[in-house]
Amino acid sequence: DQQVKQNSPSLSVQEGRISILNCDYTNSMFDYFLWYKKYPAEGPTFLISISSIKDKNEDGRFTVFLNKSAKHLSLHIVPSQPGDSAVYFCAARGEYGNKLVFGAGTILRVKS
Amino acid sequence: DTGVSQNPRHKITKRGQNVTFRCDPISEHNRLYWYRQTLGQGPEFLTYFQNEAQLEKSRLLSDRFSAERPKGSFSTLEIQRTEQGDSAMYLCASSLGGQGISFSETQYFGPGTRLLVL
Repeated sequence: DQQVKQNSPSLSVQEGRISILNCDYTNSMFDYFLWYKKYPAEGPTFLISISSIKDKNEDGRFTVFLNKSAKHLSLHIVPSQPGDSAVYFCAARGEYGNKLVFGAGTILRVKS
Repeated sequence: DTGVSQNPRHKITKRGQNVTFRCDPISEHNRLYWYRQTLGQGPEFLTYFQNEAQLEKSRLLSDRFSAERPKGSFSTLEIQRTEQGDSAMYLCASSLGGQGISFSETQYFGPGTRLLVL
């Protein structure tokens, strides 16, 4: 069963505009959420995280929003840059374990 | 470079052979994780160590897989009698965790070892 879902396999955005990547989860015991970015042939790079006690966390151009009642989180990138083109993974950590559960990823293409 | 390193980066082997991968975590990190990623999917958890103790293993980790972290520093992942279904990217991550659940623990990943079983 897929506990973390990224329903959009890909997203294309114009440079300078906002990119919004979405993630849904089913397990209400998840207490910490992370976004990773991955380039081909490299490992995932940590971007930003949010704990379940918050609904927003911001770091430069990246903002993550968490809606616990809807079991939904989103990553906003403003403004989008061509270098942001990569695969973005949403990940969640359960309350009783340290392992991360990942979504399948969303390919972001930022066009110049 | 003080990030997570993995060796080798690529491995091609024939079905039935044994392979071993190495992961060197960030030096002060006490937790080390192994994940596997196949095409079109996100990483899937395999196992995790706190210091030298292996604390959790996924059902994905069959008897042919074994992982060690003998001195609480680097770790090895061995796959015996490889099968074509073992072809994947094997990722290692490390983190600094405390006793119990560390609320803001972030896992940092290495570049991965890509395995191809022919």
